[in-house]
Amino acid sequence: EIVLTQSPGTLSLSPGERATLSCRATQSVRSNYLAWYQQKPGQAPRLLIYDAARRATGIPDRFSGSGSGTDFTLTISRLEPEDFAVYYCQQYGSLWTFGQGTKVEIK
Amino acid sequence: EGQVLESGGGLVLPGGSLRLSCAASGLTLSSYAMTWVRQAPGKGLEWVSTTSNSGGSTYYVDSVKGRFTISRDNSQNTLYLQMNSLRAEDTAVYFCATGRGYFHHWGQGTLVTVSS
Repeated sequence: EIVLTQSPGTLSLSPGERATLSCRATQSVRSNYLAWYQQKPGQAPRLLIYDAARRATGIPDRFSGSGSGTDFTLTISRLEPEDFAVYYCQQYGSLWTFGQGTKVEIK
Repeated sequence: EGQVLESGGGLVLPGGSLRLSCAASGLTLSSYAMTWVRQAPGKGLEWVSTTSNSGGSTYYVDSVKGRFTISRDNSQNTLYLQMNSLRAEDTAVYFCATGRGYFHHWGQGTLVTVSS
């Protein structure tokens, strides 16, 4: 089983700042099959990024994904008020697993 | 835009059973592999089970193997999750989602509470 570890657990930032979220896998993720989701309280997750770097339909270009192998990053270039949420990475190269999440909170 | 909607959650005794449903509207379920993901209260997301477009292939997380069964009725545009021998640790919001890799369309979830 591939275990995904996200860091930091919580990121305290101000609107307009840049957010960098990390996701590390215990083994290489086949074909970089890694996705990122955003979840707000009481809501379903929303797909942001798939295949490590492809933005899902309708996702603003301030969200970008990068990385390969075991190390992946989600970057939000300039935080908007609606971006404060919990973010999860998920791999689908070998069955499916999620990271434990990173909360992006208002500083 | 297509939607999926879960139903069937509720309060059940330990050892009991429950069947969840996921109905699709605005999209043809047979075009998608389908997945169940759960989220325990205050916790993160956990993949539970996935079925192929036809239902011919199914996959489960180890903790539910032998207790949960995923199935689908493409003629009714509906996905199911039969949950037997429920345990307290199965308490969670259960989401259905389209996809067998990344998950694109998500429902709002249905809460399953296992408690005496």
